[in-house]
Amino acid sequence: DVKVTQSSRYLVKRTGEKVFLECVQDMDHENMFWYRQDPGLGLRLIYFSYDVKMKEKGDIPEGYSVSREKKERFSLILESASTNQTSMYLCAIGSRNEQYFGPGTRLTVT
Amino acid sequence: GQNIDQPTEMTATEGAIVQINCTYQTSGFNGLFWYQQHAGEAPTFLSYNVLDGLEEKGRFSSFLSRSKGYSYLLLKELQMKDSASYLCAVRDSKSGGATNKLIFGTGTLLAVQP
Repeated sequence: DVKVTQSSRYLVKRTGEKVFLECVQDMDHENMFWYRQDPGLGLRLIYFSYDVKMKEKGDIPEGYSVSREKKERFSLILESASTNQTSMYLCAIGSRNEQYFGPGTRLTVT
Repeated sequence: GQNIDQPTEMTATEGAIVQINCTYQTSGFNGLFWYQQHAGEAPTFLSYNVLDGLEEKGRFSSFLSRSKGYSYLLLKELQMKDSASYLCAVRDSKSGGATNKLIFGTGTLLAVQP
């Protein structure tokens, strides 16, 4: 079974805090992705990585950064959290014909 | 531009058959995915189509017509547990380099009634 884990299911942070969301996989996939999901907007890609230390911007990278120091771990960083970053954050791993999601982190920024 | 359209909501009866449609316009095409997502949970993979035709997997089938930019997900013998959002996603071969990003529709919320 594919296993993608995320560091927290629920997180509450204050405006201006630095936030780290971590994703770990056990499938040795090169590709890892970070999405956010908001009602009416669907899933939107923030950043993705296709190898260790390699990253590319997705559709909405502003206000976020990422880190991939090891193949199994992909971190999403909110440098200074803002209320409009309140959302469900989903990590995914994927190959050519499949993409699997982690359980998600519901982040609330107050 | 890139666009994926699905109906927002659908209602069906337990035991019946329902078809959820998806139309897409993308720069390139390298496969279409269907996911199921229950409220508060992550999407789970249902099917992948890259060639025209029907792929059957138990009670679920997915159809693709690349020339029409069209797919549907067919759910048979509906059960109450099938109440969920169904997401259509297209892999755009012209974006994301070797990784080819997935572009998601906003999902179809299916309510199965007794």
